[in-house]
Amino acid sequence: KQEVTQIPAALSVPEGENLVLNCSFTDSAIYNLQWFRQDPGKGLTSLLLIQSSQREQTSGRLNASLDKSSGRSTLYIAASQPGDSATYLCAGAGGRLYFGRGTQLTVWP
Amino acid sequence: NAGVMQNPRHLVRRRGQEARLRCSPMKGHSHVYWYRQLPEEGLKFMVYLQKENIIDESGMPKERFSAEFPKEGPSILRIQQVVRGDSAAYFCASSPLSPPRGVETQYFGPGTRLLVL
Repeated sequence: KQEVTQIPAALSVPEGENLVLNCSFTDSAIYNLQWFRQDPGKGLTSLLLIQSSQREQTSGRLNASLDKSSGRSTLYIAASQPGDSATYLCAGAGGRLYFGRGTQLTVWP
Repeated sequence: NAGVMQNPRHLVRRRGQEARLRCSPMKGHSHVYWYRQLPEEGLKFMVYLQKENIIDESGMPKERFSAEFPKEGPSILRIQQVVRGDSAAYFCASSPLSPPRGVETQYFGPGTRLLVL
């Protein structure tokens, strides 16, 4: 059974900091890893999708890496902004999506 | 193309009542997934449906919960005789593709927040 863990559970930082959000999974049989953003009262927005054959993906200030052998993925957020405040979820796909509990990020001005 | 629609957005029920949650997938999407997010928990898969068929319901509680996706109209998640532990956010996602690609191309709705008093 796939278990996905996210660390830290919450993070509060001043604007401008570079951030690292961590995700670990127990079953390396996943065939991709996704990072989502969840805003209060809204649905999930897909940020980055890393296929199992890839090591990283980049989109703007976001960079996600995947190391299947160690069962880890990391989301880097560069030069954080207050608009980045949200909950960030990682999900491993192995026939279905397995979600972590998320990291609640607050970026203050 | 409107996104995935869910209604109601908020639903309050008393213990023992029925809750009906609706999900209209994006136009052209014939694959629907339902997830439940309990307080302080991650999203958990419940059921995967295609038009008129339940493909995988391994995440659904065995009793009181049912889901359908008729040929016409929205997908419905039905919870009979609700209990306080059913209070959660229920998310629907749709995809135009079959698994495995469909699993990674899901578009999520805004969710229905169910509160059982």
